[in-house]
Amino acid sequence: DTAVSQTPKYLVTQMGNDKSIKCEQNLGHDTMYWYKQDSKKFLKIMFSYNNKELIINETVPNRFSPKSPDKAHLNLHINSLELGDSAVYFCACGPGNTGELFFGEGSRLTVL
Amino acid sequence: KNEVEQSPQNLTAQEGEFITINCSYSVGISALHWLQQHPGGGIVSLFMLSSGKKKHGRLIATINIQEKHSSLHITASHPRDSAVYICAVEGTGNQFYFGTGTSLTVIP
Repeated sequence: DTAVSQTPKYLVTQMGNDKSIKCEQNLGHDTMYWYKQDSKKFLKIMFSYNNKELIINETVPNRFSPKSPDKAHLNLHINSLELGDSAVYFCACGPGNTGELFFGEGSRLTVL
Repeated sequence: KNEVEQSPQNLTAQEGEFITINCSYSVGISALHWLQQHPGGGIVSLFMLSSGKKKHGRLIATINIQEKHSSLHITASHPRDSAVYICAVEGTGNQFYFGTGTSLTVIP
């Protein structure tokens, strides 16, 4: 039973489209994160949600919006996709307060 | 300049060698993480440190808060250790900063 699951794993879409990546965790942790890994393999945090409240937003474009319907889910919505959005997006969760992180397998987004 | 610097960027070792990967950071932190990313892309958390030293199997991680430096050691390295090792720090203001990773290849 996967602790952190992301869907879809691969997503190919045209510029200008709107897409979503879903993330679910069954560990019962309070904090969930979205990270972006670019083509140079550099990781950068995008968002963090703690008990359905956004606590980090690392100046990502407002085309990106995290939505947390409940504690176990943090979905990433992206509007008006651009070529530069092509990357691997990782969801993670943790207990917060500097606890261990648990990562999903990543979702590779390709914008054509 | 990145808030987190790792060295070396690339490392090739013979099986059985002792390996050290270094991480230096410039911000105040509440915790430091060592992550492992395999060629398949998945990321696994190896350690979370806020002080001292932790050991898990052949892996050892140390941190010196005063010097703002951490090391990841691998004893008796094995080809299955081949991966990218990423240092990440949690800043005191809930920020996250990542190093650019160290690509390790262990040759049989």
